[in-house]
Amino acid sequence: DTEVTQTPKHLVMGMTNKKSLKCEQHMGHRAMYWYKQKAKKPPELMFVYSYEKLSINESVPSRFSPECPNSSLLNLHLHALQPEDSALYLCASSQDRTSYDNEQFFGPGTRLTVL
Amino acid sequence: AQKVTQAQTEISVVEKEDVTLDCVYETRDTTYYLFWYKQPPSGELVFLIRRNSFDEQNEISGRYSWNFQKSTSSFNFTITASQVVDSAVYFCALSSLLDSSYKLIFGSGTRLLVRP
Repeated sequence: DTEVTQTPKHLVMGMTNKKSLKCEQHMGHRAMYWYKQKAKKPPELMFVYSYEKLSINESVPSRFSPECPNSSLLNLHLHALQPEDSALYLCASSQDRTSYDNEQFFGPGTRLTVL
Repeated sequence: AQKVTQAQTEISVVEKEDVTLDCVYETRDTTYYLFWYKQPPSGELVFLIRRNSFDEQNEISGRYSWNFQKSTSSFNFTITASQVVDSAVYFCALSSLLDSSYKLIFGSGTRLLVRP
């Protein structure tokens, strides 16, 4: 199984809502990533988990809260988002974080719209 | 500073034409990896190739080929006999030891449209 799955595919939320994005992989990878991608831009790294511990936070606002309950699952909890947070949120995984030659496998993304 | 430049924002070709996507990178590191990813309209980034800085051999995979030239810091990607299904955004990316976070540094992407 070389797949990274993400749910939901689409999400529309208001600025006062709380929602969560979910990512799952069963490749035995120990590094998992959240990226944000605005239209016509490359993905921007948000968070990296390595062996279920948060190892990188790219100065992301606290309204985004990541969680890694186990080695296969990665969540992104959303609260009090702004319309400018509307984007495609991509999850990725790789064998581990410390080997820079490891390719990252990406999920299909969640397209988020904040009203 | 580490940087990846994809100067072509959009390319439009007719099916069966050959097309080359350019990628120029900057890094002070001597040990690094270069990647190409494809992002079709569905959104998922699909890994195409990884090349390390010590391996300048060109690679061919079906209709795809890659030309890595350290002398010009370029890692160009050619699609031969393009097909409509090749329409996507293509990203070139760099990862190196200098950046201890081992982040992928992406170029801005090239949108390829293959017309029937």
